[in-house]
Amino acid sequence: EDQVTQSPEALRLQEGESSSLNCSYTVSGLRGLFWYRQDPGKGPEFLFTLYSAGEEKEKERLKATLTKKESFLHITAPKPEDSATYLCAVQGGSQGNLIFGKGTKLSVKP
Amino acid sequence: ETGVTQTPRHLVMGMTNKKSLKCEQHLGHNAMYWYKQSAKKPLELMFVYSLEERVENNSVPSRFSPECPNSSHLFLHLHTLQPEDSALYLCASSQIYPGLAGPAGQETQYFGPGTRLLVL
Repeated sequence: EDQVTQSPEALRLQEGESSSLNCSYTVSGLRGLFWYRQDPGKGPEFLFTLYSAGEEKEKERLKATLTKKESFLHITAPKPEDSATYLCAVQGGSQGNLIFGKGTKLSVKP
Repeated sequence: ETGVTQTPRHLVMGMTNKKSLKCEQHLGHNAMYWYKQSAKKPLELMFVYSLEERVENNSVPSRFSPECPNSSHLFLHLHTLQPEDSALYLCASSQIYPGLAGPAGQETQYFGPGTRLLVL
């Protein structure tokens, strides 16, 4: 069964304190792994897609990496505006539906 | 701005009411989706439309009825809901349905802001 597990469930950081969020997955025939950011009361905002192990993508203070079993979202020197819930989703199988994790709620304090 | 809009943003309804949620995408996409997001749970896929044809119905109760009159609009008709149906309902669109082959990136789903539904 396709499954996505995100950890930690919540993460509190001081401004400037770098850290990583984890997304572990099992899927038959990975077609893509997606990262989204969701602010309270809003819909998920697309960040990255990773397609194969070893691939990396960056956007401002965020860097996403992918292995055959997990993905990391590294946050370098975070700012309070990075506070949000970060969602990971995998796409696989013949239908290619997105399977989401429960998310990691990140809080960055000034 | 993702190019996907949803109305209303908030809705309170009784268990005997009938209401509809509306989604519109301005991205020229061919696939549209309804998701349900409940607290402490992952997003749950409800329905998928590709080129206005329903391609998936993930065991959703019949009190939820989708409609896709054209590739830009998607509705979710609600009737005789239960309190446990209270949730954030999200609409999304992608250039192609992921079950179809296509260049990388066309399967990326873009979400609207959601409708926060409360069933009393």
